[in-house]
Amino acid sequence: KNEVEQSPQNLTAQEGEFITINCSYSVGISALHWLQQHPGGGIVSLFMLSSGKKKHGRLIATINIQEKHSSLHITASHPRDSAVYICAVVLVQGAQKLVFGQGTRLTINP
Amino acid sequence: DAGITQSPRHKVTETGTPVTLRCHQTENHRYMYWYRQDPGHGLRLIHYSYGVKDTDKGEVSDGYSVSRSKTEDFLLTLESATSSQTSVYFCAISDPLTGNEQFFGPGTRLTVL
Repeated sequence: KNEVEQSPQNLTAQEGEFITINCSYSVGISALHWLQQHPGGGIVSLFMLSSGKKKHGRLIATINIQEKHSSLHITASHPRDSAVYICAVVLVQGAQKLVFGQGTRLTINP
Repeated sequence: DAGITQSPRHKVTETGTPVTLRCHQTENHRYMYWYRQDPGHGLRLIHYSYGVKDTDKGEVSDGYSVSRSKTEDFLLTLESATSSQTSVYFCAISDPLTGNEQFFGPGTRLTVL
C-alpha cells in the first residue's frame, strides 16, 4: 500500500465546476505539499501546509493532521486548470524528504 | 521563479555509457534533491544533499551516484546507463530559511537505448 494515496486518479469536469482532490497518508509528517504539473511541463509548488487551511486565488488547500487527510479545492474551474495535481508529504525524520502520491489528472472542458 | 536550471534538458544515450546530469541553483538553498518521474510510479527520490559534500540515498538510489562540491551545483551520475533508467529527472531545492518549500527545475528527459 502506498504511503500517500490520492483520489480520484482522473477527474473530468465542466468549466465553472467546484473541484475537490483528496490526499490521504499513513506516515508521520511535518508538512504536506500540493504541486501542479501541466502536460510536458515542469512542476510548480502550489501550497505547503502543516495545519489548517491556505488560500491562493481560486485554490484552497486544507489539512487535518489527526485524520491524515488533505484536500485541494478549485473554485470556478477553468480549462487552464487542466493539469496533474500531486500531493507530497514531508516525512518527520530527515532532510525534508518528500513522498509523493500518484497524482490526479484533472481535465476541465469548456 | 526560483533560479534553478538543469542540463542537458534532453539526452539520448546507449546502454552502458556514463551519463551526468547537472542541477544548478542561484538561490543559495541548503537542500538539493534528485527525483525521477515514471508512468505508474510518480515521482521518487533518488538522492539528496543537505549541504556541500553531504549527501544521502533516497528510495531508488541503485545505479546512481551524486556529488555536491559547491552549494550551487548538484550532479547526478549514471555510471553505466541501463534502459530502466529511461525517465524524466527533476532536480529540486529547498531551505529552512524560506520555509522548506521545494522548488523544482524544468526536468531532463533521458532516453537510454
